Amino acid sequence: QSVLTQPPSASGTPGQRINISCSGRPSNIGTYTVHWYHQVPGTAPKLLIFSDNKRPSGVPDRFSGSKSGTAASLAISGLQSEDEAEYFCAAWDGSVNGHVFGTGTKVTVL
Amino acid sequence: QVQLLQSGPEVRKPGASVKISCKASGYSFQNYYIHWVRQAPGQGLEWMAIVNPGVGSPTLAQIFQDRVTVTRDTSTSTVFMELISVKSADTAVYFCARSHGSLDGLDFWGQGTMITVSP
Repeated sequence: QSVLTQPPSASGTPGQRINISCSGRPSNIGTYTVHWYHQVPGTAPKLLIFSDNKRPSGVPDRFSGSKSGTAASLAISGLQSEDEAEYFCAAWDGSVNGHVFGTGTKVTVL
Repeated sequence: QVQLLQSGPEVRKPGASVKISCKASGYSFQNYYIHWVRQAPGQGLEWMAIVNPGVGSPTLAQIFQDRVTVTRDTSTSTVFMELISVKSADTAVYFCARSHGSLDGLDFWGQGTMITVSP
């Protein structure tokens, strides 16, 4: 069961900027860093952002993460058709001693 | 290159057990945690467990503590996940993934293993 809340969908036209929110609790986002993954249907998730705002090697700087209090956000600027995927946030949760994932947001490029 | 190669699809009847594997290569096996994450059809991601391959003592999500066992074989750099008393709700793709620290992002993922539970 997902503990972090995300909007079910987000959309934009090519070149636009979109934001995806991730709402948590003091025991997870309020204390620990947030990570973001994207997943194309039928494939494994891929790490997009780690430790709130860091990008793994190879991830374009169009993707950026931020966090404030118990909420985090992923921004995708210069939206491209290949950005169509599902996006999940995640964080460690001290109250359950494990990772928790967000509910997922499906991004559509119009 | 880093690779997590998972075992093939499994089909089980309700009440049976299933054991799947995740073989790591391309990095120092004992220096990275291995997680198990599952995804039911059309659903989101559900974290199940974490193990430190160098130590071997796993931490399980509470809902899996009485049904999941995670073990590792350091000689083959392989982590195993066994699920007992399976039910239809366990039908899902099961992924293994690694992280450098227990709280860190999961930076490499296996291809996933489909477990189907059907009468």
